[in-house]
Amino acid sequence: EVQLVESGGGLVQPGGSLRLSCAASGFTFSSYAMHWVRQAPGKGLEYVSAISSNGGSTYYANSVKGRFTISRDNSKNTLYLQMGSLRAEDMAVYYCAREGGFYWGQGTLVTVSS
Amino acid sequence: SSELTQDPAVSVALGQTVRITCQGDSLRSYYASWYQQKPGQAPVLVIYGKNNRPSGIPDRFSGSSSGNTASLTITGAQAEDEADYYCNSRDSSGNHLEVFGTGTKVTVL
Repeated sequence: EVQLVESGGGLVQPGGSLRLSCAASGFTFSSYAMHWVRQAPGKGLEYVSAISSNGGSTYYANSVKGRFTISRDNSKNTLYLQMGSLRAEDMAVYYCAREGGFYWGQGTLVTVSS
Repeated sequence: SSELTQDPAVSVALGQTVRITCQGDSLRSYYASWYQQKPGQAPVLVIYGKNNRPSGIPDRFSGSSSGNTASLTITGAQAEDEADYYCNSRDSSGNHLEVFGTGTKVTVL
């Protein structure tokens, strides 16, 4: 059974940093690109970042470029999102998803507030 | 980056048919995927590609596309279909990302 489990969310002050993790199981992690998608409270889905299967290519939405870094450790079957210079508008539930959209995690909430 | 526009809300009587549309330039080049999201839950893929349903998705869900518009049709809507629906496609601006539509709240009366 494919499972994606996010962790690392929490409360952080504006300007702070946070690292999200997404533990994958039930499939060959190293064969798939992975994505991060977020959803602010009461708002729609926003695509955040993507990484190729071997980690060699990364892509970012303009809203997070230069502040967020996506990475992966295929030996640990884990996807990461390092978030820095956090702003109030970054507050959201962050989902990881496998390429194709068939599988999503349950999400982890990031709250940015002083 | 590309944008995908959806009507904010639609309603449908139980057992009737509803069509949700999604408009955007990227849809001239890429198929839309459609996601269903219920409160407090992660999105669930219901349609992908030309008109494909993942395993477990009822056949009352179907997709179509013409020009810059993609549509999701629910034929014989059920109470459990009440949810937010988002279209999604590749971003045609060349940034290798994807884009989501603005979302449509479907209410089953």
